Amino acid sequence: NAGVTQTPKFQVLKTGQSMTLQCAQDMNHEYMSWYRQDPGMGLRLIHYSVGAGITDQGEVPNGYNVSRSTTEDFPLRLLSAAPSQTSVYFCASSLYRGPLNTEAFFGQGTRLTVV
Amino acid sequence: DQQVKQNSPSLSVQEGRISILNCDYTNSMFDYFLWYKKYPAEGPTFLISISSIKDKNEDGRFTVFLNKSAKHLSLHIVPSQPGDSAVYFCAASRAQKLVFGQGTRLTINP
Repeated sequence: NAGVTQTPKFQVLKTGQSMTLQCAQDMNHEYMSWYRQDPGMGLRLIHYSVGAGITDQGEVPNGYNVSRSTTEDFPLRLLSAAPSQTSVYFCASSLYRGPLNTEAFFGQGTRLTVV
Repeated sequence: DQQVKQNSPSLSVQEGRISILNCDYTNSMFDYFLWYKKYPAEGPTFLISISSIKDKNEDGRFTVFLNKSAKHLSLHIVPSQPGDSAVYFCAASRAQKLVFGQGTRLTINP
C-alpha cells in the first residue's frame, strides 16, 4: 500500500525554468492538496482539489498551477521558477466529507532549489 | 497574519517525563484540530485530533486538550520516549483546509 507518492524527491531548477511535481495516491481519496514548508513558517496551502475536475486556490497560489484529471493524480506545475519558490513541497490526500474533517495523509516531500 | 501559532520553537524533555506542546489560534471558525509529527526527510504523519465540540481526546500516551475560550490547544505525551524526538505541528481546520503552526522541535534526552 503506497499511500501518497511524490516524485521527484529532489530537484534543482534555474530561474525561469518550468517543471511539474508529481503526486499520486492509491487510497481513492477525493481531497488532495499541495503545501510548501519554509523555515519558521510551518506548512502553507498552495492549491487543493475536492475531486476530479475541481481545483481551488489556497493561501499561496501565485506562480503555481494545478489540474485534477483523475482521482489518483494531482500534479503541481511551476510555470517560471523563481528563487522564492525554493522550498520543500508536500502533497496530501484525505477522504472528503463536506463540512466534516478527516485527517490528511502526506507524501514524503519534494525538496526544490531554484538558483 | 499567523492564525495558528506555536510559540516554542524547541523543547527538551527527559525520557520518561511528560512533554507538553502548546498551540494558540485566532480564528474561532476552526472546527477541527490536529497534531502531526515529522521526522527529517519524511512527510508529516497524523498523530491525534480533536473536534471543537470536545475538550479532550486521548490515544495511548498522547492526549490533546482544547480550551476554546482561550483558543489554546496542547498535546501531552506521557511517558516521553526517545522515538518521540521529532518536529510537532499543530493544525487547525475548517472544511478540510488545514492551517499549520510553525512547529516545535521536541528532543527527548536519555
